[in-house]
Amino acid sequence: QSALTQPPSASGSPGQSVTISCTGTSSDVGGYDYVSWYQLHPGKAPKLIIYEVIKRPSGVPDRFSGSKSGNTASLTVSGLQAEDEADYFCCSYTNSGNLLIFGGGAKLTVL
Amino acid sequence: QVQLQESGPGLVNPSQTLSLTCTVSRGSINSGNYYWSWIRQPAGKGLEWIGRIYASGSTNYNPSLRSRVTISVDTSNNQFFLKLTSVTAADTAVYYCARGGGWALLGDAFDFWGQGTMVTVSS
Repeated sequence: QSALTQPPSASGSPGQSVTISCTGTSSDVGGYDYVSWYQLHPGKAPKLIIYEVIKRPSGVPDRFSGSKSGNTASLTVSGLQAEDEADYFCCSYTNSGNLLIFGGGAKLTVL
Repeated sequence: QVQLQESGPGLVNPSQTLSLTCTVSRGSINSGNYYWSWIRQPAGKGLEWIGRIYASGSTNYNPSLRSRVTISVDTSNNQFFLKLTSVTAADTAVYYCARGGGWALLGDAFDFWGQGTMVTVSS
């Protein structure tokens, strides 16, 4: 089972918006609304920022939003702030044996 | 908020067994329809789900690791464990423990994570 496909990097200036994609198949992203997104800062515990494609846990700013079209899910960060610079990983349920599969991660740089 | 903390050796010899403990605090392993997972990240690579356990002891594993992985739980001490046998350099990674919620709760998302522990496989 291959990992979900994410671009290795993304960037934007403060205040801008950036979108990170996460492409899978009909066995995972395209077939189920069980896509989640995580923010990883070095040395810190990963943080859940989106679950079930579009839902935000309490405490996560509404600058973070999720969506899905076909086999591709997306995370959009609006109004970029310096503290948004981190690695972002998507994750999806899959019916092909692994149960849960992650993307390769995207490093977001705030210019 | 629930807290998780990984512990265990940072260095394991090749062919030996990697053993890690995750201690859960400010919450019970027995609570609700949650499950408890191990996830790892080799340096410069993506996250890999290793497996999960419910408080009942029921487990699911990543097929690519199933032959070498055992996850167990000690509900009385609010801990769960990872054992990975016959390790090689490819098992060198940061290992995380995390709480997951099933479809009815979180759609298989992980809402609380430990900070991770680096495990190096080397002689």
